[in-house]
Amino acid sequence: GQNIDQPTEMTATEGAIVQINCTYQTSGFNGLFWYQQHAGEAPTFLSYNVLDGLEEKGRFSSFLSRSKGYSYLLLKELQMKDSASYLCAVLAGDYKLSFGAGTTVTVRA
Amino acid sequence: GAVVSQHPSWVICKSGTSVKIECRSLDFQATTMFWYRQFPKQSLMLMATSNEGSKATYEQGVEKDKFLINHASLTLSTLTVTSAHPEDSSFYICSASEGRETEAFFGQGTRLTVV
Repeated sequence: GQNIDQPTEMTATEGAIVQINCTYQTSGFNGLFWYQQHAGEAPTFLSYNVLDGLEEKGRFSSFLSRSKGYSYLLLKELQMKDSASYLCAVLAGDYKLSFGAGTTVTVRA
Repeated sequence: GAVVSQHPSWVICKSGTSVKIECRSLDFQATTMFWYRQFPKQSLMLMATSNEGSKATYEQGVEKDKFLINHASLTLSTLTVTSAHPEDSSFYICSASEGRETEAFFGQGTRLTVV
């Protein structure tokens, strides 16, 4: 099986920056996804990395290091609506998507 | 992005009855569909992978006779929870993709409560 670790929860102030780390060990690798999930709703796609480096998309950026089995999601200029669970998911060699437990981010005024 | 429609959004059923959940890809042909289950404050756990026209592949620990999956067309997969029990109460989510290396899109999820 896959082993995906990310912190359980993080708290930050509105306007600040938060970095959510994810480490993984998988059998084969075909990419890493970050999803946002609000309570009671399905996950929504944020980013996809398959090559090493930083992908920037507006206030959200995602980084990948395949050799280290490491990724992070960077949320800038935090807004209250960013309070949600952020899921790191890895597409393994068999093309099955496995999820980490999720990091609950709470944004405070 | 592509649209995946899941129905119903929530359902309450009596213990011992069966419930069918539908997952439809509205604007693309889904070669592969995945079914996940998520308990409160836990991650999404993959239950099974279904490919159009073939039998579903179930993850270890998932009872294939209890969770029946049918992927009869390129736009529809169904999950039937048979003889449901209260411990089957969970959030069930499907995702669909056009191919193995393409992004998977999620349905809205189905909140199942068995009483």
